[in-house]
Amino acid sequence: QKEVEQNSGPLSVPEGAIASLNCTYSDRGSQSFFWYRQYSGKSPELIMFIYSNGDKEDGRFTAQLNKASQYVSLLIRDSQPSDSATYLCAVTGGFKTIFGAGTRLFVKA
Amino acid sequence: DAGVTQSPTHLIKTRGQQVTLRCSPISGHKSVSWYQQVLGQGPQFIFQYYEKEERGRGNFPDRFSARQFPNYSSELNVNALLLGDSALYLCASSINTGNSGNTIYFGEGSWLTVV
Repeated sequence: QKEVEQNSGPLSVPEGAIASLNCTYSDRGSQSFFWYRQYSGKSPELIMFIYSNGDKEDGRFTAQLNKASQYVSLLIRDSQPSDSATYLCAVTGGFKTIFGAGTRLFVKA
Repeated sequence: DAGVTQSPTHLIKTRGQQVTLRCSPISGHKSVSWYQQVLGQGPQFIFQYYEKEERGRGNFPDRFSARQFPNYSSELNVNALLLGDSALYLCASSINTGNSGNTIYFGEGSWLTVV
């Protein structure tokens, strides 16, 4: 079982729609959870982090964490073509941050 | 303030050679991590250093080594290069390794091609 699992996609949504990205993790002791965005040929850039169960909103982005279900999600409202990228879920436990393989998102104009 | 800086940005090496990649963390950050990312996969954890000590190591062979200097900069060394070592090598820094301040920020990466 992979430590952090994501649907590889691609996930295709029309412009203006809500994109929903999901992630599960295996280590129940994980304490910090992150979403990164990576454009083709570029390095990952941090979008959001979440530490506590529930929702955390930042502009058009909402991260959701459910530790009991070992589940993290990212909602992108009013999706724009510029949101088209690979979204990486990352989980920290101990001294390392582990990444999922990423979900490719396409936003169609 | 400058972000995480890495050098070189691109390099080509021959099988069997050795390579050294360099990283300077964000000012004030004491922890540096190294990741390998091959096409179509997420970053794979190689090492984490904090206060010049190795704090974590991923599932990579002993050909991979790293160190952190007193100014918190870091080097990643890979010996006896294989074709499969071709990848984007990412350096990331964080303030510390605790539950608060462990958010990692990436540099632009070093693209290594082994031929």
